[in-house]
Amino acid sequence: GAVVSQHPSRVICKSGTSVKIECRSLDFQATTMFWYRQFPKQSLMLMATSNEGSKATYEQGVEKDKFLINHASLTLSTLTVTSAHPEDSSFYICSARDFAGSEGDRYFGPGTRLTVT
Amino acid sequence: QKEVEQNSGPLSVPEGAIASLNCTYSDRGSQSFFWYRQYSGKSPELIMSIYSNGDKEDGRFTAQLNKASQYVSLLIRDSQPSDSATYLCAVNKAGGFKTIFGAGTRLFVKA
Repeated sequence: GAVVSQHPSRVICKSGTSVKIECRSLDFQATTMFWYRQFPKQSLMLMATSNEGSKATYEQGVEKDKFLINHASLTLSTLTVTSAHPEDSSFYICSARDFAGSEGDRYFGPGTRLTVT
Repeated sequence: QKEVEQNSGPLSVPEGAIASLNCTYSDRGSQSFFWYRQYSGKSPELIMSIYSNGDKEDGRFTAQLNKASQYVSLLIRDSQPSDSATYLCAVNKAGGFKTIFGAGTRLFVKA
């Protein structure tokens, strides 16, 4: 089956620093990738939709300048958390849609656990 | 009203029983519906997708969709302790590819 990887799987950073998370589709082309955030015991909250070659579409309440998304190729999208604060500590998960598949063909990465101290 | 609603549970069933998980959604134009399973600390994995009214069976899992009632369910037959997880209902919003998740139902299968 299709594989989506994320790197790093776990990161700890100090408050005020920036962290970049990579999401890669390993064996398919993903024109669209989605970034989710999940706090403990809560569901996945969609943060933004990332389209290859164009600006990301952010959900209401998500700060564009704080969560920078770049989708420079059909297999890579990055999420940069700028000036991270402890409240940004969360589980960040990307999902990629298979360009050649049906509407339902989307695959999740293993997630990145961010801890801001 | 939340876009996708689920009973948070926990739902506890004995091993071998049928577990029934329910979900309602608000966007009447939604066309694609999914059930994901998520173990603690892991990302979700797709169990079932359903697009048409009626039942769809895959092994021990049966998804049921009723668009008129805006209702989706998942039945797990012969429940096993390894089925213990959080089950997320997800819906693709009409006109786009955004997938919105419910809060999830925690299922415990007692051996």
